[in-house]
Amino acid sequence: GAVVSQHPSWVICKSGTSVKIECRSLDFQATTMFWYRQFPKQSLMLMATSNEGSKATYEQGVEKDKFLINHASLTLSTLTVTSAHPEDSSFYICSAQMGLAGVRETQYFGPGTRLLVL
Amino acid sequence: GEDVEQSLFLSVREGDSSVINCTYTDSSSTYLYWYKQEPGAGLQLLTYIFSNMDMKQDQRLTVLLNKKDKHLSLRIADTQTGDSAIYFCAEGKAAGNKLTFGGGTRVLVKP
Repeated sequence: GAVVSQHPSWVICKSGTSVKIECRSLDFQATTMFWYRQFPKQSLMLMATSNEGSKATYEQGVEKDKFLINHASLTLSTLTVTSAHPEDSSFYICSAQMGLAGVRETQYFGPGTRLLVL
Repeated sequence: GEDVEQSLFLSVREGDSSVINCTYTDSSSTYLYWYKQEPGAGLQLLTYIFSNMDMKQDQRLTVLLNKKDKHLSLRIADTQTGDSAIYFCAEGKAAGNKLTFGGGTRVLVKP
């Protein structure tokens, strides 16, 4: 149980295009989802927290207009990288938890999406 | 601010015990976690410990927490080649449940 999937698993795009990454909780309802970014050989950096049906809360330094997050249902959150540039190339990982942010819940992580912007 | 530190690399022989260390700075941390990441994959939760506990054991895994020194360790008994991966410690709080990750320790198990 508690499986989180991401799609696509990897994507290559041209500079200036937008890329949408999906994060799905397959066998549970995820009230809260988190989006992380991981550069090669580095740790995960939290980008934003989203609760279903409300606007995402972005971490300091993360551009909300560049990284659009939508959490329209209890099983799906999307991250859209708008007008992607080579510096946006990274490994994007989502996680999902059943409860609201504010209550300790286990975060279940997706397998990640590797984005390469040419 | 919050800071979580780990050593970068650990090499161990198959069958030996591995000990991965982690230090953190935020004394208000409520939970401390250990995650495993295999190449090209997401994170797998291995275990976690509540901040009022000193030790937690789960099969081959033993977590030790020294809250006074803000030091966390993960011991893997009888290390196997399948344990080769990057191990992240993370600290979290009940409020918001945001996790702050360490830089990860790359564990290489030699046969």
